[in-house]
Amino acid sequence: GENVEQHPSTLSVQEGDSAVIKCTYSDSASNYFPWYKQELGKRPQLIIDIRSNVGEKKDQRIAVTLNKTAKHFSLHITETQPEDSAVYFCAAVQGGGTSYGKLTFGQGTILTVHP
Amino acid sequence: DGGITQSPKYLFRKEGQNVTLSCEQNLNHDAMYWYRQDPGQGLRLIYYSQIVNDFQKGDIAEGYSVSREKKESFPLTVTSAQKNPTAFYLCASSIDYLYNEQFFGPGTRLTVL
Repeated sequence: GENVEQHPSTLSVQEGDSAVIKCTYSDSASNYFPWYKQELGKRPQLIIDIRSNVGEKKDQRIAVTLNKTAKHFSLHITETQPEDSAVYFCAAVQGGGTSYGKLTFGQGTILTVHP
Repeated sequence: DGGITQSPKYLFRKEGQNVTLSCEQNLNHDAMYWYRQDPGQGLRLIYYSQIVNDFQKGDIAEGYSVSREKKESFPLTVTSAQKNPTAFYLCASSIDYLYNEQFFGPGTRLTVL
């Protein structure tokens, strides 16, 4: 089945700096890659996603890039703010086989933005 | 934050007891999911249901059971066969099973005493 590895597990930045979180996946048939943000004590919420026919997607201060050949995708947050502090999860959806459509999450990255 | 609810928020159980976690959604979503969240391990899929009266095992189904008799409801039973049940459990739903945003409930924290 699919295996998603996420790095780093913790990330600490100063307000205004950029933050990058990287994920790799194992199943070349995976074709949908969402990112979820979970603030302390709250439920995960989708912040951005990308499909395999697109190399990059941007939404204000956040962007996601996808390299299908290398099987990795990254989340980029620019001009970080304290409210960006949260746990971020990447995920991959398998595009074939017996696990078609199944979402597999990475282990999560704890992002802390210091004022 | 409305639309998908879980109850109770906190649950305590003695070893050897079965316990059922509730998950209800009024979003008219076909697909529903149960995840377990442990520190440093992300979200792991327990069971999922693509449509009412149908469900499949996820990655860590042993010791758990589910039912999907109604579109709105997807209860999870943690049985005594689950060796390490203390965890945070999240329910989610999506319009359908493929490529759609999953909406999560607030979670239930289960502690085995």
